[in-house]
This record gives sequence, C-alpha cells and structure tokens, in this order.
Amino acid sequence: DSGVTQTPKHLITATGQRVTLRCSPRSGDLSVYWYQQSLDQGLQFLIQYYNGEERAKGNILERFSAQQFPDLHSELNLSSLELGDSALYFCASSPPPSTDTQYFGPGTRLTVL
Amino acid sequence: GQQVMQIPQYQHVQEGEDFTTYCNSSTTLSNIQWYKQRPGGHPVFLIQLVKSGEVKKQKRLTFQFGEAKKNSSLHITATQTTDVGTYFCAGCFYDYKLSFGAGTTVTVRA
Repeated sequence: DSGVTQTPKHLITATGQRVTLRCSPRSGDLSVYWYQQSLDQGLQFLIQYYNGEERAKGNILERFSAQQFPDLHSELNLSSLELGDSALYFCASSPPPSTDTQYFGPGTRLTVL
Repeated sequence: GQQVMQIPQYQHVQEGEDFTTYCNSSTTLSNIQWYKQRPGGHPVFLIQLVKSGEVKKQKRLTFQFGEAKKNSSLHITATQTTDVGTYFCAGCFYDYKLSFGAGTTVTVRA
C-alpha cells in the first residue's frame, strides 16, 4: 500500500459523458501527478500540481482538466468522453521539494462504451 | 520534444540468465527514475539516479546513469520468476516535466 488513494476503482460510462476521478496523496506530500495508461500508449504523463499550483503539463487533452485543492487532494475531470479515453488513470504523489520518488495509487479503470 | 526512449519493449529470459534494459533521452536529464509494474498492479518506485555516471545496486539489480545524463540502464542478473513485470524508466527534465519510457515487459521461462 503506497498511501495514495484513488476513487473510484472502476468507472463505466458512455461516450459524450463527463467523469471526475479523485486522488488523495500520501500525508505530507505536496505534489500530485496524473497519468494515463493505455495498452497502446504506455504510461503518459498528464499534469502535475505542487501545493495547489499547476507545475508541469504533459500530454493532457483540452477536454481534460485537473485541480488540486487546499487539502491537497486532486481531481481529474474528463469530459466529452470518447472510446479512446478508456484507460487506467493513475495518480501519484511525491514529497517536497519536487520531483523525487513518486508513489502511485492503485489507479482508476475507466471504460467508455 | 522531450521524450525518453526505452528498449527493448519485450524481454523473454530464461530463469538464471541476465538481461539489460536501456533508456535514452536526446536532452540532458535532471534525474532518472526506475519503476516496476507487476501485471495488474501499479508502478512501484525502484530507484532514482541524479549524478552523472552514478551506479546504484539493489541486490541483483544494477542501475547506471550515463556521464552525459542522457541515458540509463537497468541490468538484472540471475533472473528469477519474481522479476516478471514491466520496468519503466522515467526521465525528469529541468522544467519538471517527466517522460516515461515505453517500458520493457519481462517474462521468465522456468
């Protein structure tokens, strides 16, 4: 158990819908990262937050957005869902000061039908 | 763009043999990290290399960071069935962006 929690564990929805994935980092960790893992594209870095502020952006689509709240939990919002958005979405956290060891959560498996 | 390339994509190893997976970046890295993901699991941090030419060992695993901080390798000796999984390198660039390699998926023949 890494100490990072993600909810829900599984999510099944239809194309065109919007979903929110939630992540709680390890106690004391200020950084939160979001990743998408699909079979054909490996592990893709989406976005990083540090203490509530966006720090780095990767291959995140405009239909996706994220935020980190004052209590440091984070949410990833996926809208206008497409079949190709079906994937495992991982959240990871790391302790300050910045990009050190990342602890991954168990992931949310999103299926878009 | 800032990408890290990892080879090979698949590695089929006889139990007891050694193998190596390699990562390369076209841009100098701040640091490089290695992760292992077991089938059905999530990536688990193995190690971080920061210094040029750094070599670190964890039992049968040896990690190296190149002198130019653009490449890295993971060498596993005497492979065991517990080594099964996908090994990812993750290059950290100086603008905090991370790039994961495509991973090397290891299967072991007993």
